[in-house]
Amino acid sequence: DIQMTQSPSSLSASVGDRVTITCQASQDISNYLNWYQQKPGKAPNLLIYDASNLETGVPSRFSGSGSGTDFTFTISSLQPEDIATYYCQQYENLPLTFGGGTKVEIK
Amino acid sequence: QVQLQESGPGLVKPSQTLSLTCTVSGGSIRSGNYYWSWIRQPAGKGLEWIGRIYTSGSTNYNPSLKSRVTISVDTSKNQFSLKLTSVTAADTAVYYCARVRVGISIVVFDIWGQGTMVTVSS
Repeated sequence: DIQMTQSPSSLSASVGDRVTITCQASQDISNYLNWYQQKPGKAPNLLIYDASNLETGVPSRFSGSGSGTDFTFTISSLQPEDIATYYCQQYENLPLTFGGGTKVEIK
Repeated sequence: QVQLQESGPGLVKPSQTLSLTCTVSGGSIRSGNYYWSWIRQPAGKGLEWIGRIYTSGSTNYNPSLKSRVTISVDTSKNQFSLKLTSVTAADTAVYYCARVRVGISIVVFDIWGQGTMVTVSS
């Protein structure tokens, strides 16, 4: 299985701050990486696919980059509604696997 | 728009079989280039992919669960289902069904059900 390691596991930032989350794959996954947002008590919601493509309807303050084994997810200006846990997910190989999640809180 | 809804017992006894159904509304389960998948999440923990099915009946399972999992599809009812046998407390989780959009270089869970909590306890 491909292991996905996210860091940090949690972070606290102020409204308007730039927030960055990293995701590292245990082997080369090319661009085959997605990012999801999960708010408390809700199902995950797709934000970014193929490492850097914004899903339709997702605000442009969210972005993703990277390829190979190292990936970055960025919120350019943190908003109160962005409080959630964020997960990366690879689809280079089955089984599809997720990172452990990064919980984002407001300072 | 397409919506997914999980249904099934919220409490299952140890060693028994967990059975859930996902009903697809707002569109045909046969339309488009989609797989249909199950994912679970223990309380306070991360997401685990269980498996997926295509409307042809072709399946893929997570090897960690493969010996106990069956995913099936009923296109006449616009539903797909999950069976997990010989459950233990470790199978207690929120179970989600999801649509998997597939394209060139794309495999994404683009629509999710709201999730259903299943507790394994006597």
